[in-house]
Amino acid sequence: DTEVTQTPKHLVMGMTNKKSLKCEQHMGHRAMYWYKQKAKKPPELMFVYSYEKLSINESVPSRFSPECPNSSLLNLHLHALQPEDSALYLCASSQDNNWEGTEAFFGQGTRLTVV
Amino acid sequence: DQQVKQNSPSLSVQEGRISILNCDYTNSMFDYFLWYKKYPAEGPTFLISISSIKDKNEDGRFTVFLNKSAKHLSLHIVPSQPGDSAVYFCAASEVAGNTPLVFGKGTRLSVIA
Repeated sequence: DTEVTQTPKHLVMGMTNKKSLKCEQHMGHRAMYWYKQKAKKPPELMFVYSYEKLSINESVPSRFSPECPNSSLLNLHLHALQPEDSALYLCASSQDNNWEGTEAFFGQGTRLTVV
Repeated sequence: DQQVKQNSPSLSVQEGRISILNCDYTNSMFDYFLWYKKYPAEGPTFLISISSIKDKNEDGRFTVFLNKSAKHLSLHIVPSQPGDSAVYFCAASEVAGNTPLVFGKGTRLSVIA
């Protein structure tokens, strides 16, 4: 199994809603990442989890709250989002945070629309 | 089978000289190519991209060249600086923003002062 699975694939939410994005991998990877990608732009790093601990937060607003319940799962909790937060949210994983000599895998993403 | 290949695991370059990092891909459907840079214990951060309609894209000291017929792209850093020492990852996707990125295994660049 060399997949990173993200659910849901599409999500439409209102600005007062609370929702969660989920990411799962069963490759034994110990580093997981959230990226945000706007249309026709490259993915931008949001958070890095290494061995289930948050190691990097790229100055992301607190309305995005990551959670890593175990080594296979990564969640992104969303609350009080703005329309400009609409984007493709990508999860990725790698064997560890060093990456070298190992492959990294991205999920298909969740396309989020905030209305 | 790896779709994105970086065949040089490491590269050492003198400060001030040109660094050239290479990347080959096998999937002819790839349409969007990126380079990411990674410092130890940090996440990869975006450096520069190119779409298949171009063969060159420049951003300051960084230039990416794309040769679609050869399925090859390269990143040139001129002049190289010690702060450029990092691992550089080539990535590709079929449609920008709509399909997953496929990463190469990376090339560690060491710029020697």
